[in-house]
Parts: sequence; C-alpha cells; structure tokens
Amino acid sequence: QKEVEQDPGPLSVPEGAIVSLNCTYSNSAFQYFMWYRQYSRKGPELLMYTYSSGNKEDGRFTAQVDKSSKYISLFIRDSQPSDSATYLCAMSEGTYKYIFGTGTRLKVLA
Amino acid sequence: SQTIHQWPATLVQPVGSPLSLECTVEGTSNPNLYWYRQAAGRGLQLLFYSVGIGQISSEVPQNLSASRPQDRQFILSSKKLLLSDSGFYLCAWRPNRAYGYTFGSGTRLTVV
Repeated sequence: QKEVEQDPGPLSVPEGAIVSLNCTYSNSAFQYFMWYRQYSRKGPELLMYTYSSGNKEDGRFTAQVDKSSKYISLFIRDSQPSDSATYLCAMSEGTYKYIFGTGTRLKVLA
Repeated sequence: SQTIHQWPATLVQPVGSPLSLECTVEGTSNPNLYWYRQAAGRGLQLLFYSVGIGQISSEVPQNLSASRPQDRQFILSSKKLLLSDSGFYLCAWRPNRAYGYTFGSGTRLTVV
C-alpha cells in the first residue's frame, strides 16, 4: 500500500462547478498537509498549507483534513477553465520530508 | 521577497555524459533546500535535501549526487548519465518546517 493515494483522474467538470479533490494516507503520524497546483511543464505552486485537522479557506479554495479517517480534501468553488491543472497533495510527520501523491488531473470545461 | 531560480529549463544529454543542474534562492538565509524528480505519471520523488552548507542527505541511492557550496546554492550532479535519469527535476526551498515548499520552475532532462 502506498503511503499516499490519489486518484489520477482526469476529472472533467463544467465551468462554475464545485470540485472536490481527495487524498488518503496510511501514516497516522502525518500532521502537516499541503495542496499544490501544477500546470503542464511547470513547477508545482503551493495552494494550501494546513496543520493537523480542520478546515482552512483561502478565496475559492478550502482544504479539509480528517485525521481520524486519514483523508484530506481540496474544494474549489466556482471552478474556472484556468483551474485546469494537476493537483498534488503532500504530507509530512513534521520532519524534512514530505510524501507526495501522484496528482489528479482536473479539466474545467468552458 | 524570496525567489528561487533553477536552470536550465530544458536539457538533452547523451548517455554517459555528466550533468550539473543549479538552483539558487534569493531573499532569505539558511533555507532548507530540496531536489525532487518527477517522472511521467508518477509522484514527486525526493532525491536530496540540505539543512545547511555542506550538509546533504540522500533519500534514494542512485547515479546522482548533490552539493551545497554556498548557503543559497544547491547543485545536482552526475558523472555519467543513464537513460533512467530522464525526468523533470525540481528544486524547492522552505525557511523551516512550519512552511510549505516553494518550487522552482524545473528542468526537463532527456537522456538519449
């Protein structure tokens, strides 16, 4: 079993839809969680950084962490074609090393 | 503000040739520095990280090495490239464990 599991997609949604992206993990010691957006042939861009459980909101983006279920989510409201990218989750116990998911490809159709 | 520079953006190298990729960070001091590799359809694989000058930790034994000759400079090297070294190489930094990574723009390496 991989430490971090992420559905590769692609996930296609119409413009304006609410998008839900998810990752599951197996290591209960993970307590730092990140979401990145990566456009084709570019470096990943940090979207959200959360510690422990709970929700964090930033504009159209909301990150949720459920440590009891070992499950994290990223919600995108009012999705736009410019949101079309690969979304990567990453998590850490708090040391120097983050474990990344393989990414979910999102396509927002105009 | 802090910025990270990584070059070159694209590189095509023959098998057996040497490699040197450079990464520099501006606007901060004593950053934690990282080299990742991203293969097609796979996640980011941590190759090396450094918490200070001359301090390098290797995560995956392989054909690559890293060096940190200056506080804000991180170099990825190989003496002889293999076909399996092809991939997208990303440098990243963060000030400390309380923050997420900031990635560079990446180097796409093709070994032919």
